[in-house]
Amino acid sequence: EVQLVESGGGLVQPGGSLRLSCAASGFTFSSYWMHWVRQAPGKGPVWVSRIDRDGSSTDYADSVKGRFTISRNNAKNTLYLQMNSLRAEDTAVYYCARESQSGDYKYDALDIWGQGTTVTVSS
Amino acid sequence: QSALTQPPSVSGSPGQSVTISCTGTSSDVGSYHRVSWYQQPPGTAPKLMIYDVSSRPSGVPDRFSGSKSGNTASLTISGLQAEDEADYYCSSYTSTNTLVFGGGTQLTVL
Repeated sequence: EVQLVESGGGLVQPGGSLRLSCAASGFTFSSYWMHWVRQAPGKGPVWVSRIDRDGSSTDYADSVKGRFTISRNNAKNTLYLQMNSLRAEDTAVYYCARESQSGDYKYDALDIWGQGTTVTVSS
Repeated sequence: QSALTQPPSVSGSPGQSVTISCTGTSSDVGSYHRVSWYQQPPGTAPKLMIYDVSSRPSGVPDRFSGSKSGNTASLTISGLQAEDEADYYCSSYTSTNTLVFGGGTQLTVL
């Protein structure tokens, strides 16, 4: 079964750090671009970051650029999001998601999502 | 990057058709074929329903269809069923090599 399982969320004070993990199974993890998307309570999803197949190329939303770092370990089939200098507005459910592709052609659409992990930034 | 604009809510009776619009700009929806639609029932993760404006992933019923004209994309659900009740979000690739989502539309099946 194709599956993504996030972990690492929790309560953190403003200015603090947290590292999220996303364990992939059921597919060849190293063949796919991967994303992080967050969703605040009662709001729509917001794209956070993207990483290419071997981790050499990354992109970020302006709201997290310079504070968050996406990375991956293909040997461990795991995606990460290091979050530093956290703010109250970073409070959300964080999802990892797989980008849909056909061969080497990718669609900028997210076809597999994890169940999400909750990050709460509060004093 | 501002969120794409969707109507907050739409409704329809079983068997009817509903259309949800998604308005962006020439920097996203208007310039790229990379528009997707997601379905999200309460308490669950989003599910991909449409990609590349009008393509359906395997397993998605053909009652779901997508289209685009200019800066506005649309999702049409025909033969509405109770199980279609959920929040729907559009997404587009952008000129800054990022993705942007819409604010979401709550679909109510009357």
